Amino acid sequence: GAVVSQHPSWVICKSGTSVKIECRSLDFQATTMFWYRQFPKQSLMLMATSNEGSKATYEQGVEKDKFLINHASLTLSTLTVTSAHPEDSSFYICSATGPAGTGELFFGEGSRLTVL
Amino acid sequence: GENVEQHPSTLSVQEGDSAVIKCTYSDSASNYFPWYKQELGKRPQLIIDIRSNVGEKKDQRIAVTLNKTAKHFSLHITETQPEDSAVYFCAAVGTGGFKTIFGAGTRLFVKA
Repeated sequence: GAVVSQHPSWVICKSGTSVKIECRSLDFQATTMFWYRQFPKQSLMLMATSNEGSKATYEQGVEKDKFLINHASLTLSTLTVTSAHPEDSSFYICSATGPAGTGELFFGEGSRLTVL
Repeated sequence: GENVEQHPSTLSVQEGDSAVIKCTYSDSASNYFPWYKQELGKRPQLIIDIRSNVGEKKDQRIAVTLNKTAKHFSLHITETQPEDSAVYFCAAVGTGGFKTIFGAGTRLFVKA
């Protein structure tokens, strides 16, 4: 149990376009999901906490208008990178705490975004 | 804000030797300390965790210690094997909401 799936696994887009990344909990309901950004050979930087049915909570320094998060159902959270620029190129990975409520995070496969 | 520091950033050991990774955290309200292993191109996965009411926990070759007073916690891997080569992240989780803050990661190389 506690499987999280993320799509797409990689995407290439032109500068100025928007890209949507989906994160799904496949076998459990996730009222809270977390979005992280990971630069090459660096740590997982928490971007925001996605709450089902309410607004996401963004970390300091993360532009909420740039990174739109929607958590419309208990199994789906989406991250939309709006007006993407080359500096937005990165590895984005979502996670959710499992149904046991222990605090353990279950991660999606991650999405590698390249903005040309 | 919350911060987790992790050392060393890179660790190279000979197969069979032990490896130790150390972390410190800033938020005294943190009460859950997981360790994740991320192999190249894969998602992070939990390998061991410890809660604030416990000082030490062991699972086969892996052990974790916690010193709440000093806000230190450490990962110990004994009898290392080449398949232990990966990036290891420590993390601290506060009360309510399970917001997880990660350390910078340690790239472990185990040489055969």
